[in-house]
Amino acid sequence: DTAVSQTPKYLVTQMGNDKSIKCEQNLGHDTMYWYKQDSKKFLKIMFSYNNKELIINETVPNRFSPKSPDKAHLNLHINSLELGDSAVYFCASSQGRVPGQETQYFGPGTRLLVL
Amino acid sequence: GENVEQHPSTLSVQEGDSAVIKCTYSDSASNYFPWYKQELGKRPQLIIDIRSNVGEKKDQRIAVTLNKTAKHFSLHITETQPEDSAVYFCAALSMYSGGGADGLTFGKGTHLIIQP
Repeated sequence: DTAVSQTPKYLVTQMGNDKSIKCEQNLGHDTMYWYKQDSKKFLKIMFSYNNKELIINETVPNRFSPKSPDKAHLNLHINSLELGDSAVYFCASSQGRVPGQETQYFGPGTRLLVL
Repeated sequence: GENVEQHPSTLSVQEGDSAVIKCTYSDSASNYFPWYKQELGKRPQLIIDIRSNVGEKKDQRIAVTLNKTAKHFSLHITETQPEDSAVYFCAALSMYSGGGADGLTFGKGTHLIIQP
């Protein structure tokens, strides 16, 4: 199933580098999200993006910046990568943000390893 | 912000028995509560969800109950099978002050092990 897709699947890079992860959804959804899953499997919301409105989790460092070229895409750019950024990053999308449209569908994840 | 607590962290049951996973949440404004199943190396997959205007929902062997007064919801799996082995996450939809949703707040997960 390719409703929500991410590239790359794996990303190994050196500390200090800048990298991007791409996400695309073909569900016609209006809202997209980025989540981080750490080594203990904790899943945490990083951003949500709806109709050009970006909502940021206050705990996310400003080295992380989402970019949305259009409604179907929400890319994640990370500057000056740190060891602690190593995690699995999941993109997700939902139809909207009102009752009945909240169901979120996840992408396959991008496994980032910072050396 | 929202805080979701999930118990137990690990649950081992005999095949055919029932499994129950419990969650509590803190934000009384939350009104949507999904459950996700995540197999090793895979994405979280929605298995069932419930909205705050409903107390119970069932889909074959899976059921979810919600007690809004107590801010408590539970996942029930009956007649467990080996393929039910996975990590299960509960979540609550967090609301920000502007009235929209800023993403799901997840519990820390329950590793469900089905013993043959």
